[in-house]
Amino acid sequence: QVTLRESGPALVKPTQTLTLTCTFSGFSLSTSGMSVSWIRQPPGKALEWLALIHWDDDKYYSTSLKTRLTISKDTSKNQVVLTMTSMDPVDTATYYCARLTAVAGTNGYFDSWGQGMLVTVSS
Amino acid sequence: QSVLTQPPSVSEAPRQRVTISCSGSSSNIGNNAVNWYQQVPGKAPKLLIYYDDLRPSGVSDRFSGSKSGTSASLAISGLQSEDEADYYCAAWDDSLNGPVFGPGTKVTVL
Repeated sequence: QVTLRESGPALVKPTQTLTLTCTFSGFSLSTSGMSVSWIRQPPGKALEWLALIHWDDDKYYSTSLKTRLTISKDTSKNQVVLTMTSMDPVDTATYYCARLTAVAGTNGYFDSWGQGMLVTVSS
Repeated sequence: QSVLTQPPSVSEAPRQRVTISCSGSSSNIGNNAVNWYQQVPGKAPKLLIYYDDLRPSGVSDRFSGSKSGTSASLAISGLQSEDEADYYCAAWDDSLNGPVFGPGTKVTVL
């Protein structure tokens, strides 16, 4: 059974750096075809993809946020960490981590999601 | 503003059929697979359709997906009250080098 769980601060102040951790089980990020992504959803709004890390440590970032984002993995701990700098109230959202499964030659799909955690940016 | 376009909402009576459209371009839907996600209010999204028209194990066959050119569709037949949710299409975008989500469509069962 695949599970993912997000953890981190529920409240951050403007200009601070947010660090979120995704702890997962039921699969290994060292397995070919496995990837983990971060996706966020502001209250009442649509899903927005943020970042993706592949089993081979290849990384992709949202073009609009790439200067503020860093994604990394610790395969031994089954964790993926996302840092986002210069937090602003508009970054208030529920942040999800999700597993991306891909067959060779395709871009894949998010087949398992964490429950999400609400991060509020406020002074 | 999303690069994928969906209607904001659709509604239909129970047991009827609804279709949700998702329009994109050659850099996303036209060249990559489309996936659909269902999000019940207050819950995490759930994979509904992948690789254009495949259903994960456990997803009802009342849900079906299709794609033609740069557009895709999700159909829900035999509409039930439990189908009330937001539905998102998604596809990899070659220009943005990452996945993009549509703005979502709210399905209401009258």
